[in-house]
Amino acid sequence: GESVGLHLPTLSVQEGDNSIINCAYSNSASDYFIWYKQESGKGPQFIIDIRSNMDKRQGQRVTVLLNKTVKHLSLQIAATQPGDSAVYFCAETSNFGNEKLTFGTGTRLTIIP
Amino acid sequence: DGGITQSPKYLFRKEGQNVTLSCEQNLNHDAMYWYRQDPGQGLRLIYYSQIVNDFQKGDIAEGYSVSREKKESFPLTVTSAQKNPTAFYLCASRTGRGSGNTIYFGEGSWLTVV
Repeated sequence: GESVGLHLPTLSVQEGDNSIINCAYSNSASDYFIWYKQESGKGPQFIIDIRSNMDKRQGQRVTVLLNKTVKHLSLQIAATQPGDSAVYFCAETSNFGNEKLTFGTGTRLTIIP
Repeated sequence: DGGITQSPKYLFRKEGQNVTLSCEQNLNHDAMYWYRQDPGQGLRLIYYSQIVNDFQKGDIAEGYSVSREKKESFPLTVTSAQKNPTAFYLCASRTGRGSGNTIYFGEGSWLTVV
């Protein structure tokens, strides 16, 4: 079946540096992608989203890049802070599907002080 | 405050018991979802509902049941048929159909079988 996967399960970054979290997806019909941040014991929080008609979208300290050719998604976090330590999930859905949101396993980001 | 409220936060179930997890939203969202998360894992869809009085099975519906009698409420019952129910359960909702409508999550409920 279709799936969304992440390249790296863990990532450690020095405070103040930039971090990049990657995600691969396999459903070529996917047309909407979301990044979530999940802190321990809490529900996922929406960070940023992107539609398939875009290659890049920027938010506050975060940028999402979408490469539809290789079915790859990335989340860039600039000037990382201790509060950025969490698990990050990418998720995808298709307008032609059944409204399900498919999640990857997640990447644990640790910010080193 | 607007949002999604899940209760209880922690729940213990004895073997053979059914338990019901509550999910209420005051966001006027049409669609609601239940996900299960196991430690170190991603989220797996149990059930979802796009409209009142209608719901569909997700990827792991066996041993679970839901109802959608009101727009604001989507309770999940974990039945005794669910053999490994210990997990973190997340309820979510979104405003409408189609892409571009972000799914927002509640704070989750921890269920432990004792």
